[in-house]
Amino acid sequence: EAQVTQNPRYLITVTGKKLTVTCSQNMNHEYMSWYRQDPGLGLRQIYYSMNVEVTDKGDVPEGYKVSRKEKRNFPLILESPSPNQTSLYFCASSLWEGSGELFFGEGSRLTVL
Amino acid sequence: EDQVTQSPEALRLQEGESSSLNCSYTVSGLRGLFWYRQDPGKGPEFLFTLYSAGEEKEKERLKATLTKKESFLHITAPKPEDSATYLCAVQGASNAGNNRKLIWGLGTSLAVNP
Repeated sequence: EAQVTQNPRYLITVTGKKLTVTCSQNMNHEYMSWYRQDPGLGLRQIYYSMNVEVTDKGDVPEGYKVSRKEKRNFPLILESPSPNQTSLYFCASSLWEGSGELFFGEGSRLTVL
Repeated sequence: EDQVTQSPEALRLQEGESSSLNCSYTVSGLRGLFWYRQDPGKGPEFLFTLYSAGEEKEKERLKATLTKKESFLHITAPKPEDSATYLCAVQGASNAGNNRKLIWGLGTSLAVNP
């Protein structure tokens, strides 16, 4: 089954404690992206990757890091989480970077205390 | 500046009561307009792509149409299982670099009562 898998789905953490949200896709997609979704602000892109070892900033990259060492995986790293990073996070992938047909993961709800 | 506005913010329908959701957009050179469905606590699910004015796409009770300024998602005889948030996104030709990113609307929350 084609899918994008994120973990963890739910996480409560404290300010400053480094965490990683993993994302894996099994569709051999070139393009992967991270979004955060907040009430009243909608979906905002954090980082994206057009292929292995190619990553770039989206609209709200501050406080986040990513890496793309393998085609299927695109982890999101919060080096020192802060309360304003409390949000619902989605990983998405598509066949190529210009495609608007994204496959989304189930989401990771993060609370930073 | 590229922009997407969806209306209404929320819509409540009775089962069988047809209606339309609106997505107005401003973009420099439309490459594509996309409709997604999002259920509570889940990731958005792709529904349709529209590329040019006059184009229409259908899937079950949903029909998406496109003009030069807006898109409509028509819902015919909706059922309770159509309850969800419907998101619209556009992709313009003027996006910087190679990231042909999507510009998202805030969505319309649809509730269909039995």
